[in-house]
Amino acid sequence: GAGVSQSPSNKVTEKGKDVELRCDPISGHTALYWYRQSLGQGLEFLIYFQGNSAPDKSGLPSDRFSAERTGGSVSTLTIQRTQQEDSAVYLCASSLGGTERGYTFGSGTRLTVV
Amino acid sequence: AQSVAQPEDQVNVAEGNPLTVKCTYSVSGNPYLFWYVQYPNRGLQFLLKYITGDNLVKGSYGFEAEFNKSQTSFHLKKPSALVSDSALYFCAVRVNQAGTALIFGKGTTLSVSS
Repeated sequence: GAGVSQSPSNKVTEKGKDVELRCDPISGHTALYWYRQSLGQGLEFLIYFQGNSAPDKSGLPSDRFSAERTGGSVSTLTIQRTQQEDSAVYLCASSLGGTERGYTFGSGTRLTVV
Repeated sequence: AQSVAQPEDQVNVAEGNPLTVKCTYSVSGNPYLFWYVQYPNRGLQFLLKYITGDNLVKGSYGFEAEFNKSQTSFHLKKPSALVSDSALYFCAVRVNQAGTALIFGKGTTLSVSS
């Protein structure tokens, strides 16, 4: 597609359940990033995939969070045993392979844990 | 560690007046600096970037930013604000180093009144 697509756009889940968030980057973009946007916290870096290199997972807040990128394209962010503090907007971005080119962001998934 | 600070949570200006949204950074090497804008209910959009060269960078929608190495700042400016400029603005930084994602500030809400 023409832009970065994220699904679902909204997700409400019960505390303790697992959730999967999907990101479909722009075709040909080798770099993919996940960020979390919480009120008053700005954008928090989570994880970064670049081509076939090992991902930079340094931003994942706990071992309940994981992400994978299959075939160098679609990425899934999984949150296990969700907690209320996980409620946020999860943003995905892709780029042509370097941050100097600028990111293209998706519209995000708003996750609410009740 | 690299970091970026936006000291103002909110900036209020009247339409037609100049605007400045402040950003300071802390990195150990040469910085790559960016500004992104987030309009209500929309994803983040790239505004402009500084990589190297002229300290005054021009971007989308009439915005510009000035890189000041001695003050470690990268303030966003526009000579004449529009009501439609009202949005959330994020400054971001990356050290000139491969395999590193952007670090974003907490954001500044710009409100332009008519």
